[in-house]
Amino acid sequence: DAGVTQSPTHLIKTRGQHVTLRCSPISGHKSVSWYQQVLGQGPQFIFQYYEKEERGRGNFPDRFSARQFPNYSSELNVNALLLGDSALYLCASSFLLAGGPSYNEQFFGPGTRLTVL
Amino acid sequence: AQSVTQLGSHVSVSEGALVLLRCNYSSSVPPYLFWYVQYPNQGLQLLLKYTTGATLVKGINGFEAEFKKSETSFHLTKPSAHMSDAAEYFCAVSDDYGQNFVFGPGTRLSVLP
Repeated sequence: DAGVTQSPTHLIKTRGQHVTLRCSPISGHKSVSWYQQVLGQGPQFIFQYYEKEERGRGNFPDRFSARQFPNYSSELNVNALLLGDSALYLCASSFLLAGGPSYNEQFFGPGTRLTVL
Repeated sequence: AQSVTQLGSHVSVSEGALVLLRCNYSSSVPPYLFWYVQYPNQGLQLLLKYTTGATLVKGINGFEAEFKKSETSFHLTKPSAHMSDAAEYFCAVSDDYGQNFVFGPGTRLSVLP
């Protein structure tokens, strides 16, 4: 079975532009989370979606938005890009929203590396 | 609020030596604790996790970690390092059924021949 897939792999944008990143969860998984990993730091939680509804949001500005589609894939949108948005954006999927990590492992995709010039 | 600290941004060991990567956390509720490994240009792979029960947790590739509530620690160990263990290691905590993680800053492990 395919794991979590993300597209594109790499992306270069300039300041002020908009970007859309895409994530396809593991088949059957209904929850998708997004993380930002700045070079040299640990990932930071941005959003979680479950059954097409936002279930969690990290401390990110309103320039960041996301949505989940009926097939459970997800998009992360970032408007008015800043140099500081350059990072690896990770998507993770899991089967359930709750149920505990004994039953509900979160699987990470390879990420999209965004460079803002 | 939850937080994670990892002592040592870079750890070097010789092949065959003990690996010890330190993780301390703060959480207002009983935590779920995780260790992830990240190889260059790849996503995160789960090494092991503590949820409930036994405090010594065994993971993949010979790694294990011990949850010590009194010390708020979850240090990662491996008895004998292998060259393939060279990677970035992240400790993470969650109180939300293992969904929305708070990650530490990471420790880069180098293994010397």
